[in-house]
Amino acid sequence: QVQLVESGGGVVQPGRSLTVSCVASGFSFSTSTFHWVRQAPGKGLEWVAVISSDGVNTYYADSVKGRFTISRDESKSTVHLQMHSLRSEDTAVYFCARDPHLWGGELGHWGQGTLVTVSS
Amino acid sequence: QSVLTQPPSASGAPGQTVSISCSGSDSNIGSNTVNWFQQLPGTAPKLLIFSNRLRPSGVSDRFSGSKSGTSASLVISGLQSGDEADYYCASWHDGLNGPCVVFGGGTKLTVL
Repeated sequence: QVQLVESGGGVVQPGRSLTVSCVASGFSFSTSTFHWVRQAPGKGLEWVAVISSDGVNTYYADSVKGRFTISRDESKSTVHLQMHSLRSEDTAVYFCARDPHLWGGELGHWGQGTLVTVSS
Repeated sequence: QSVLTQPPSASGAPGQTVSISCSGSDSNIGSNTVNWFQQLPGTAPKLLIFSNRLRPSGVSDRFSGSKSGTSASLVISGLQSGDEADYYCASWHDGLNGPCVVFGGGTKLTVL
């Protein structure tokens, strides 16, 4: 069955870096687009970034542009989100989600999320 | 302030029908498709409606979606207690800084 498993969350100090990862299984990784979506405690969903199936196209929310980088490793069926210059407002549960098409926004499968806490 | 506007709350009695609106602009809903997500307490979001009105396999036909111009709606008929959740609309947005996905602020549905 389709599975997305995030990892790498934890407590990190402001200004530091952290990478969260998402291992995918149960479907064709190479033809799938992946998004990262986050949710601050008690708040709504906020889209963070997307990477196309071929890895050529990446787009970011203005709030993370220049600080976050999304990438994919075909050999490990894994999507990464590198986060730099972290701020307290980046504290959230980070979800990985699969989309069959780049422009559909059809996030049909989600992981369970990994919590990132930015605090001194 | 979310780019897509949803009412913060909605409610209805069991068996009733409730509608949740999602208002956007020409840069998002007006030129792209709308998707709806349901998030039960403590769980990851679940795709409920995609491409404005299509249901993924396994989603009850009590859920329906529509879009007109720069607005979209999610209708839930035959309300059940298990429908208590947060509901989010989302769409691609053609922004000045490049394309991005935008979510509505979410609507908390209470089944009375």
